[in-house]
Amino acid sequence: LAKTTQPISMDSYEGQEVNITCSHNNIATNDYITWYQQFPSQGPRFIIQGYKTKVTNEVASLFIPADRKSSTLSLPRVSLSDTAVYYCLVGDMNFGNEKLTFGTGTRLTIIP
Amino acid sequence: EPEVTQTPSHQVTQMGQEVILRCVPISNHLYFYWYRQILGQKVEFLVSFYNNEISEKSEIFDDQFSVERPDGSNFTLKIRSTKLEDSAMYFCASRPSGRRYEQYFGPGTRLTVT
Repeated sequence: LAKTTQPISMDSYEGQEVNITCSHNNIATNDYITWYQQFPSQGPRFIIQGYKTKVTNEVASLFIPADRKSSTLSLPRVSLSDTAVYYCLVGDMNFGNEKLTFGTGTRLTIIP
Repeated sequence: EPEVTQTPSHQVTQMGQEVILRCVPISNHLYFYWYRQILGQKVEFLVSFYNNEISEKSEIFDDQFSVERPDGSNFTLKIRSTKLEDSAMYFCASRPSGRRYEQYFGPGTRLTVT
């Protein structure tokens, strides 16, 4: 499993775009990048997954540069309800362990 | 939208007692998991289950823990003799085939051992 590094915490104001960057310098060729969100006292929730370039869904966008050594989760026009912990996970989609390995994540606080 | 459900939402038990935590995974999912999160700490993997058997388990998942899928819908985690350090949120998760990193988590059961 590739080791990931992300900021411990971030603050942002409502209505702003928030970008959370994750470093994964030793990402392997078969690894995908996945982001989860966890609200207080709830289970983690899958947000988005990508391999390269850009992926967008109704919740977020994921930007992955050509070298894939980092990725950026982008949340457009955040609201107070986006206050949560965001986890970056990197691993092989097809082989290896079944488990998800969560780090400490990035605690995002949205300020009114 | 289908979701994973867990019962009870909160369980208080005395040290040494047995507890069973229950989960109903999403109906067409084939892979099932238990995770736990001690207050203020990381989400930790406990066990994965597929085709009626354990596919992987962590060091935490010792002989005091067991899992079962007693029927076509429920998935349970049993702790035989609870310890104070078992106090945590326990999350059940499930996923469809082919999407290993897209797991759907339940709301959790808060287990308090006194």
